[in-house]
Amino acid sequence: KAGVTQTPRYLIKTRGQQVTLSCSPISGHRSVSWYQQTPGQGLQFLFEYFSETQRNKGNFPGRFSGRQFSNSRSEMNVSTLELGDSALYLCASSSAGAGGPDTQYFGPGTRLTVL
Amino acid sequence: AQSVTQLDSHVSVSEGTPVLLRCNYSSSYSPSLFWYVQHPNKGLQLLLKYTSAATLVKGINGFEAEFKKSETSFHLTKPSAHMSDAAEYFCVVSDQVNDYKLSFGAGTTVTVRA
Repeated sequence: KAGVTQTPRYLIKTRGQQVTLSCSPISGHRSVSWYQQTPGQGLQFLFEYFSETQRNKGNFPGRFSGRQFSNSRSEMNVSTLELGDSALYLCASSSAGAGGPDTQYFGPGTRLTVL
Repeated sequence: AQSVTQLDSHVSVSEGTPVLLRCNYSSSYSPSLFWYVQHPNKGLQLLLKYTSAATLVKGINGFEAEFKKSETSFHLTKPSAHMSDAAEYFCVVSDQVNDYKLSFGAGTTVTVRA
């Protein structure tokens, strides 16, 4: 099976712009989670989607949003970019059921740089 | 609330010698515990996971970890380090009380000397 794919791999934006990142999960996986990784804060949970619904949310401002499509692909959007949004954004998929996520498998990440 | 403490931010070993990465966790419910590895400019790769079965868990690339409930620890070991083991390692906990959200440790960077 193909792994989790994320596009684009690298992005450079300026403050105030918005950005959309894309994630395609492993075939058959219905849960997609997003994480932000920075040197200062480490890995932090953004949100999880399951069957097109947000099931869990981390402690991030409303500028961070996401969605999931019927084919389980997911996008996350960050509006009004700030310098502090520069990070590696990781997507993970799992074959989750109603009881919650199973083991999560990560994509290679999208490196966002905000100038 | 669940949390993870990785006791060493950096570990340096010689090639062919054992590796020990220490992890303590806090969880109010039966946790699932994971070790992931991240090579430079890559995503996270699952090494192994514990989900209330055998307390000694074997993973990929010769790694194993032992779940000790009495010590709330989940240390990662490998008998003989290889140069390709140089990477950052994350200990991760999740449980039902926290809706299975993953909580990551701060990471341990491993360097391997020739």
